[in-house]
Amino acid sequence: GAGVSQSPSNKVTEKGKDVELRCDPISGHTALYWYRQSLGQGLEFLIYFQGNSAPDKSGLPSDRFSAERTGGSVSTLTIQRTQQEDSAVYLCASSLGGTVGEKLFFGSGTQLSVL
Amino acid sequence: GESVGLHLPTLSVQEGDNSIINCAYSNSASDYFIWYKQESGKGPQFIIDIRSNMDKRQGQRVTVLLNKTVKHLSLQIAATQPGDSAVYFCAENAGGTSYGKLTFGQGTILTVHP
Repeated sequence: GAGVSQSPSNKVTEKGKDVELRCDPISGHTALYWYRQSLGQGLEFLIYFQGNSAPDKSGLPSDRFSAERTGGSVSTLTIQRTQQEDSAVYLCASSLGGTVGEKLFFGSGTQLSVL
Repeated sequence: GESVGLHLPTLSVQEGDNSIINCAYSNSASDYFIWYKQESGKGPQFIIDIRSNMDKRQGQRVTVLLNKTVKHLSLQIAATQPGDSAVYFCAENAGGTSYGKLTFGQGTILTVHP
């Protein structure tokens, strides 16, 4: 079946603009995660959705960042008033049920460049 | 891009050699550890995992070793192939309810020469 799909694959924006990044998880996966990967760095946790539970937002770096997951499937990560330090690859992952030992399946990411 | 390599540890091996990639983790409460492989332009791909109640786990051509005493994790790749060239990340999970809330290491670039 199809893997995790992210769009757009690349986004160039001007400082101060808002951007929306989209993630389509694997069908049937109830857990969805957003990570950020800056150049030359490992992945940084942003937010986690599990079913109908309140999301774990503890990794969001500022209130300019928000995410939602509609209908338990597609998720959108929104960055308001983008700054140059927001430039990174934003990766989405999903897993079957959000339990320890489950494999996370990652998308190929959205490369965000803020000019 | 190429500049990623300027900041990450690198390991160069010849095809057919065994590779060992090391990782130090920080949280003694972590109970689950994973190795990921990331090729250029792609998301990380699961390789192998290990729970904290184990010290060794083997997969196909890969072995993960866990030393909780010194908080050290290693990935061994047998008979390394050019297709193994990638950035390798270790990740840890401290348990609780956020199972996918992983803390990643900075990564090691593995280059396999034919």
